[in-house]
Amino acid sequence: EPEVTQTPSHQVTQMGQEVILRCVPISNHLYFYWYRQILGQKVEFLVSFYNNEISEKSEIFDDQFSVERPDGSNFTLKIRSTKLEDSAMYFCASSDDGGDNEQFFGPGTRLTVL
Amino acid sequence: GENVEQHPSTLSVQEGDSAVIKCTYSDSASNYFPWYKQELGKRPQLIIDIRSNVGEKKDQRIAVTLNKTAKHFSLHITETQPEDSAVYFCAACRRYSTLTFGKGTMLLVSP
Repeated sequence: EPEVTQTPSHQVTQMGQEVILRCVPISNHLYFYWYRQILGQKVEFLVSFYNNEISEKSEIFDDQFSVERPDGSNFTLKIRSTKLEDSAMYFCASSDDGGDNEQFFGPGTRLTVL
Repeated sequence: GENVEQHPSTLSVQEGDSAVIKCTYSDSASNYFPWYKQELGKRPQLIIDIRSNVGEKKDQRIAVTLNKTAKHFSLHITETQPEDSAVYFCAACRRYSTLTFGKGTMLLVSP
């Protein structure tokens, strides 16, 4: 069964550094999402992406964040200047027909900002 | 925006008992209500979902009910097993929008 994959599984970085989290959505899916989950808390929506542009973003997704689909398979989340409070698990998800259909989650990238 | 409240935050049951987790939502335009199970350190995985045009859906030991008028929906797990132990998240979504999750319920099933 196809799965969403994410790399790396764990990223440790210094405060102020840039990080890029990578995701490969399921190949025939058209809608892509990034969520984050601070340890022990709920999953929070960051951004959705469709047709090569952002379709929706949350208050969390400020100017420090950006997303890109650099080729036909990868979907990336960049954090320009990481802060301590960016430490969380970041999940990528994809769906084939919009948010109100099953979203398949990747295994997550644990980001630790020191 | 949408706001989803979930109760209880923790739930302990004996193996074989039933477990019920309840959620309320605020956006009357939400039309899709999935439930995700997340085991420790793992990704959230969909276990059941329901759309606003039905009031109940069942899949073996798992069922979900939806009351659109009251804007609440519930997850029912019967004959619980230790492997049901996990954190369960409800979520709500309107058409072409994104998931808003509840805060999660940690279910512990004791043998």
